[in-house]
Amino acid sequence: GAGVSQSPRYKVAKRGQDVALRCDPISGHVSLFWYQQALGQGPEFLTYFQNEAQLDKSGLPSDRFFAERPEGSVSTLKIQRTQQEDSAVYLCASSSQVEAFFGQGTRLTVV
Amino acid sequence: SQKIEQNSEALNIQEGKTATLTCNYTNYSPAYLQWYRQDPGRGPVFLLLIRENEKEKRKERLKVTFDTTLKQSLFHITASQPADSATYLCAYVDTGRRALTFGSGTRLQVQP
Repeated sequence: GAGVSQSPRYKVAKRGQDVALRCDPISGHVSLFWYQQALGQGPEFLTYFQNEAQLDKSGLPSDRFFAERPEGSVSTLKIQRTQQEDSAVYLCASSSQVEAFFGQGTRLTVV
Repeated sequence: SQKIEQNSEALNIQEGKTATLTCNYTNYSPAYLQWYRQDPGRGPVFLLLIRENEKEKRKERLKVTFDTTLKQSLFHITASQPADSATYLCAYVDTGRRALTFGSGTRLQVQP
């Protein structure tokens, strides 16, 4: 595709519900990143993939957060037993060199 | 640990003036700094990258400087337009990592 695509754009989850957020990166991009952005803040790193290998997951806030990229293309960020503090925009980015290309993000609201 | 800081107060300027945004870091000079633009409801969009050994980089109406003595990068938009209104983020890549570390961003509002 022409850019990074994320779905859904908006997700409302009840506290305790599991959610799955999808990222479709730019074709051929080896690197894929997930970030979390709170209102009025810059994006904060969650996890990084090089192809299908998850090389850095140091930013995942708890073991309720899990990410995968099984075939080195599409990635899914899963949040189990959502809590109110998980409410944020989740951004996916892909890159082939230095510049990162971001998707529009998924706004998650936990009620 | 390294911190990257941007002025959290919004910057309001008149159309046609030059906007100057500041990005400060606290410890070592990163190998390079990147600047991104973010509009409401959208993801960040890459604008410019400046390396540690470069003093200045230009792209159309944009100019970025990198002062390792002051531990600061300045981002300038000349002849600003209302369409330049957005949040501008600076970011760097920590040594040994691939992910970007972002500042909190500065919101620019250009008044017609």
